[in-house]
Amino acid sequence: DAGITQSPRHKVTETGTPVTLRCHQTENHRYMYWYRQDPGHGLRLIHYSYGVKDTDKGEVSDGYSVSRSKTEDFLLTLESATSSQTSVYFCAISAGGNTIYFGEGSWLTVV
Amino acid sequence: GIQVEQSPPDLILQEGANSTLRCNFSDSVNNLQWFHQNPWGQLINLFYIPSGTKQNGRLSATTVATERYSLLYISSSQTTDSGVYFCAVSGNEKLTFGTGTRLTIIP
Repeated sequence: DAGITQSPRHKVTETGTPVTLRCHQTENHRYMYWYRQDPGHGLRLIHYSYGVKDTDKGEVSDGYSVSRSKTEDFLLTLESATSSQTSVYFCAISAGGNTIYFGEGSWLTVV
Repeated sequence: GIQVEQSPPDLILQEGANSTLRCNFSDSVNNLQWFHQNPWGQLINLFYIPSGTKQNGRLSATTVATERYSLLYISSSQTTDSGVYFCAVSGNEKLTFGTGTRLTIIP
């Protein structure tokens, strides 16, 4: 198994509150990704990182920010959670140009 | 961006049957991967296959990059093969996923 840990695995939060999801890897891979999965949409890229302090937007980045201060950690922050951000969030890692490995997912419910 | 279409969207088969899942994509890619999401939500990488053919046990995959499609073959299906199969492609480091094929294997 790829060494990817997501936390928290499950969270219920209220509308308007900030939320941070953490992805931690032990593989020293350069690329890290955050995806969200919703019924009918498959997986959609939120943000990704190609190195420490190097990040870029994906197709559904509005309302999300990310930070990567260390190779092993990639944080996803919802500045002010909304009900439309209720989803399953997956972190993924890659050495670049090849196989991508996923974490086990974080189930977020915004009420 | 690159468009990815998977077919069929749903497939129900008896245990022991064979199946073929298809992935069409709209542009040249240098990365194509197949994933299986099990009923517990875990995403497992099956193949990294931007071109050519690969086999792993009962599963095999073929990508014809010039014609912009890939096929995933599952032979002698087992109930543990149930779940959703995703194709993902990219021309850079950002993978775009299809909406998946939901496979249900009936004992």
